[in-house]
Amino acid sequence: EDKVVQSPLSLVVHEGDTVTLNCSYEVTNFRSLLWYKQEKKAPTFLFMLTSSGIEKKSGRLSSILDKKELFSILNITATQTGDSAVYLCAVGSGGSNYKLTFGKGTLLTVNP
Amino acid sequence: DAGVIQSPRHEVTEMGQEVTLRCKPISGHNSLFWYRQTMMRGLELLIYFNNNVPIDDSGMPEDRFSAKMPNASFSTLKIQPSEPRDSAVYFCASSWGQGNQPQHFGDGTRLSIL
Repeated sequence: EDKVVQSPLSLVVHEGDTVTLNCSYEVTNFRSLLWYKQEKKAPTFLFMLTSSGIEKKSGRLSSILDKKELFSILNITATQTGDSAVYLCAVGSGGSNYKLTFGKGTLLTVNP
Repeated sequence: DAGVIQSPRHEVTEMGQEVTLRCKPISGHNSLFWYRQTMMRGLELLIYFNNNVPIDDSGMPEDRFSAKMPNASFSTLKIQPSEPRDSAVYFCASSWGQGNQPQHFGDGTRLSIL
């Protein structure tokens, strides 16, 4: 059975801190790893990673994938209160029977 | 551009009633996914359509659940009869290609079965 594990489960930081969120996985026929941010409603797409060692960056957020060690990290620098959310990691696997398996998420709280 | 549109936003009904959730995917997307989110189990894939054809329904919990996609711009998820343990947030997502592109989610339907 495919498995995606995120850590920590929750994290409380102060504005300006840098955080690192972790995602490890065990899946059959890996295709991609995706990060989403979920506030009150829909998960919103952040990054999709398919190749090891290539950093994806968007503003203060960045992510990298290690396909040998089967994990990814999501970094957020100079955190702001608007970064408070649940961050979900999902791994895409399968051929024509493609599916995303989600982790339980990391709840990030950024205090002023 | 309009995102994925789901209705209703909230549904409260009594056990045993039929529930129908609706989804309009992003125009041009040909893959559609139904998910269920609970505190205990997180986000779980229920069913995946590609070009209106169900590809994987292994996540549908039991025969009380059914989903259809009669055309490229509309899908329904039906629960009949509903039970309290079906209470959850149900999300619809869409993407283009054969599912290996980022999925974009609707705002979900919060379902409460009393």
